[in-house]
Amino acid sequence: KQEVTQIPAALSVPEGENLVLNCSFTDSAIYNLQWFRQDPGKGLTSLLLIQSSQREQTSGRLNASLDKSSGRSTLYIAASQPGDSATYLCAVPPGGSNYKLTFGKGTLLTVNP
Amino acid sequence: GAGVSQSPSNKVTEKGKDVELRCDPISGHTALYWYRQSLGQGLEFLIYFQGNSAPDKSGLPSDRFSAERTGGSVSTLTIQRTQQEDSAVYLCASSLNLSPGHTEAFFGQGTRLTVV
Repeated sequence: KQEVTQIPAALSVPEGENLVLNCSFTDSAIYNLQWFRQDPGKGLTSLLLIQSSQREQTSGRLNASLDKSSGRSTLYIAASQPGDSATYLCAVPPGGSNYKLTFGKGTLLTVNP
Repeated sequence: GAGVSQSPSNKVTEKGKDVELRCDPISGHTALYWYRQSLGQGLEFLIYFQGNSAPDKSGLPSDRFSAERTGGSVSTLTIQRTQQEDSAVYLCASSLNLSPGHTEAFFGQGTRLTVV
């Protein structure tokens, strides 16, 4: 059974700081890994999808890396802004599946002005 | 449409009543998923549709829960005889059914269900 852990559970940083969010998963037989953002009371916004053959993906100030063999992914946020405050979730399909996702419980990020 | 649309956005219902939640996926997306997010819990998978068929219903918590999809588009999640433990945010997602590894999921805004 795929299990996903995100560390830390919560993080508070001053504006402008670079930060790293961590995600680990137990079954490395995955097709991809996806990072999402969730604002309070809202749905999920897809940030980045990394295919299993890739090592990283970049979108603007976000960079996600994937080390499939060790079951780890990181989300790097450069020059954080108050608008980045949200819960960040990583999700992977269970081993051998390419559709349903197993989610971590998320990291609640607060960026203080 | 431009994104996944869910309705209603909020629903308050009395214990024992039936509710229907609607999901309108992104046009052209053949795969559709329902998830549930309970307070203090992570997101849990409920059901997956490929076209109009549901090859994986393994996440439905009881036989009070059912879902259907018609015309390869709109889906309805029905909860019969609602209980207080059904209170949660119900999220719908859709994706293109491409080769494995390319199935990026896009989520709607969710329906917040409160059973009183």
